[in-house]
Amino acid sequence: GESVGLHLPTLSVQEGDNSIINCAYSNSASDYFIWYKQESGKGPQFIIDIRSNMDKRQGQRVTVLLNKTVKHLSLQIAATQPGDSAVYFCAEKRGADGLTFGKGTHLIIQP
Amino acid sequence: ETGVTQTPRHLVMGMTNKKSLKCEQHLGHNAMYWYKQSAKKPLELMFVYSLEERVENNSVPSRFSPECPNSSHLFLHLHTLQPEDSALYLCASSQDHPGGDTQYFGPGTRLTVL
Repeated sequence: GESVGLHLPTLSVQEGDNSIINCAYSNSASDYFIWYKQESGKGPQFIIDIRSNMDKRQGQRVTVLLNKTVKHLSLQIAATQPGDSAVYFCAEKRGADGLTFGKGTHLIIQP
Repeated sequence: ETGVTQTPRHLVMGMTNKKSLKCEQHLGHNAMYWYKQSAKKPLELMFVYSLEERVENNSVPSRFSPECPNSSHLFLHLHTLQPEDSALYLCASSQDHPGGDTQYFGPGTRLTVL
């Protein structure tokens, strides 16, 4: 069936290390993907997006990789900082349909 | 700040009360959305408005009633809610067409139904 899911519900990393958050999707027709960050008590905040005609996109300290062959999306955060602690959601869009969100991964930064 | 504001931030209501949630976007977008976020569940799309017309209703119970008077404002009217309706209600907006490109979210209203 169609789904957007995250491989791990919780990810714990050391401050200063790189973090990788993964997302799997099952619909090859999805053409747009977004990563959101949600801190406690706040709404989801846009981080970075990527369209299906791209494999990689970089932002400030973040990189999104898209592997269409295995229907896999990842978010890489470089030099993780305490302020990166949050729940990270991937979302996919199929044509004119609305966004479909995954459950989220809780990123915990260890000092 | 994302340019999307929501009031109130917290709301406690009884099952017989009637209340309204308000959302306002300052981004010049033409589509607005209501989502429900429950613990350990994905965001659930409730309503979509494009150019002030409702274009999607994902089988939401009638005790939730949306209203979009103009492209900048969105309301969610609540009446005779159930305890299982307790959740974070998020508003979002985007440009162009429903589901199109990036949606920007407000901070949400934390609703508790007693």
